[in-house]
Amino acid sequence: DGGITQSPKYLFRKEGQNVTLSCEQNLNHDAMYWYRQDPGQGLRLIYYSQIVNDFQKGDIAEGYSVSREKKESFPLTVTSAQKNPTAFYLCASSTHREWDTQYFGPGTRLTVL
Amino acid sequence: EDQVTQSPEALRLQEGESSSLNCSYTVSGLRGLFWYRQDPGKGPEFLFTLYSAGEEKEKERLKATLTKKESFLHITAPKPEDSATYLCAVHFASEGAQKLVFGQGTRLTINP
Repeated sequence: DGGITQSPKYLFRKEGQNVTLSCEQNLNHDAMYWYRQDPGQGLRLIYYSQIVNDFQKGDIAEGYSVSREKKESFPLTVTSAQKNPTAFYLCASSTHREWDTQYFGPGTRLTVL
Repeated sequence: EDQVTQSPEALRLQEGESSSLNCSYTVSGLRGLFWYRQDPGKGPEFLFTLYSAGEEKEKERLKATLTKKESFLHITAPKPEDSATYLCAVHFASEGAQKLVFGQGTRLTINP
C-alpha cells in the first residue's frame, strides 16, 4: 500500500528539548510539506521541499528545521527556540508539480510539558 | 489581502437533510481549489480538486462546484458517517510566487 507515515503519533517534550518528527512516503512524490494545525485555525505551512537536498521556509518556519536527504523522507525538528510548539503536525506530499494535490499523513500530536 | 473563508464554522443536520458548505476566496490568479475531509485526530483525506470556474466533481453523496469567487460542497442525503471537518485550500499565484492557503474548516455533524 502506498502512503505517508508519520511517527510517533503522540510526542511529549519538556521545555528546552529538541524533538524530531518523522515523515516517510512511498508514493514516489517529489514534493513534501510540513504543516502545523491549531484549534480554530487553518493549516499553516512550516517548510516544504520540491527535490532532494533542497527546501524552502513556509509562513511559520521560526523555531523549526528540516532536512531532505532522501526522496522518501522529510523529518521535522522542533527546536527549543519554538515558543509555542504544542500542536498537531501534519506531513504531506505531492507529485512533481509544486502545490498540486497534496496527500496527508496521519499526523503527530506534540505536547510540551 | 488574499483570503480563504469557510462558512459556516459548524453545521448540524439531521440524517437525510441536504445542505451546502461554502469556501469563498479573494485571490487573483487561481490555480486550483482543493477539498479535504478530516476526522478528529487524523490527517486530512483528499476529496476533490477543481481548476476552473464551472467545473463540478462528484463522489458518492458529495458534489463540489467552483465559481470565480467561491466553491460549494453539496452534501445530498447525508449519513452520520459524513460527520467530519471539511477543509478547502486555494492554490494561487501572488507577486511572482505560488501559494496554498487553507480555510479554517466547517465542522459538520449529522444526527441519526
